[in-house]
Amino acid sequence: NAGVTQTPKFQVLKTGQSMTLQCAQDMNHNSMYWYRQDPGMGLRLIYYSASEGTTDKGEVPNGYNVSRLNKREFSLRLESAAPSQTSVYFCASRVSANQPQHFGDGTRLSIL
Amino acid sequence: KNEVEQSPQNLTAQEGEFITINCSYSVGISALHWLQQHPGGGIVSLFMLSSGKKKHGRLIATINIQEKHSSLHITASHPRDSAVYICAVPNSGGSNYKLTFGKGTLLTVNP
Repeated sequence: NAGVTQTPKFQVLKTGQSMTLQCAQDMNHNSMYWYRQDPGMGLRLIYYSASEGTTDKGEVPNGYNVSRLNKREFSLRLESAAPSQTSVYFCASRVSANQPQHFGDGTRLSIL
Repeated sequence: KNEVEQSPQNLTAQEGEFITINCSYSVGISALHWLQQHPGGGIVSLFMLSSGKKKHGRLIATINIQEKHSSLHITASHPRDSAVYICAVPNSGGSNYKLTFGKGTLLTVNP
């Protein structure tokens, strides 16, 4: 039982490049989330998907897009990476809004 | 939006000491989360509580809904407890879908 799996674990991009962060969960959870974590700041929500087929903006959505491909997978896309998007990205899931979230191990992304 | 304040920001203790980390929030909530993040590591949910107290091993979490305050206690602390402890609450007090996270408390337990 892998839980929440994020790929890749590390990535370096140049400004203007695009990439997609992948997230998959095998716990049959309904809700999935993408967060970014920056030094001195709490986790901030980028986008979330309350259930398969729905996505909503979080606190810091600019510069990102998401796709809830199916119940298991929720991807985060950077269309034109900027240095301000250098961060550690976490994917999380939970079965319902009244349960704890389960987190992936994170993706450390650097944009030069 | 719910505002979350954690204290202290940093805490250094000797092995065996009793640890208390505090969390205050601004808007009434249905449940509060405590999470743990080891250096360079992933994030693990420790507790989700809506009233009273919960205990898991040497960790105890309490919440006072009226005071809008929660505490995380660690008894007989050990170097392996060294981590960042994060408090999180529902964003607006209503829906639980979105959480607001505190900035975390960095705990270092020395042998």
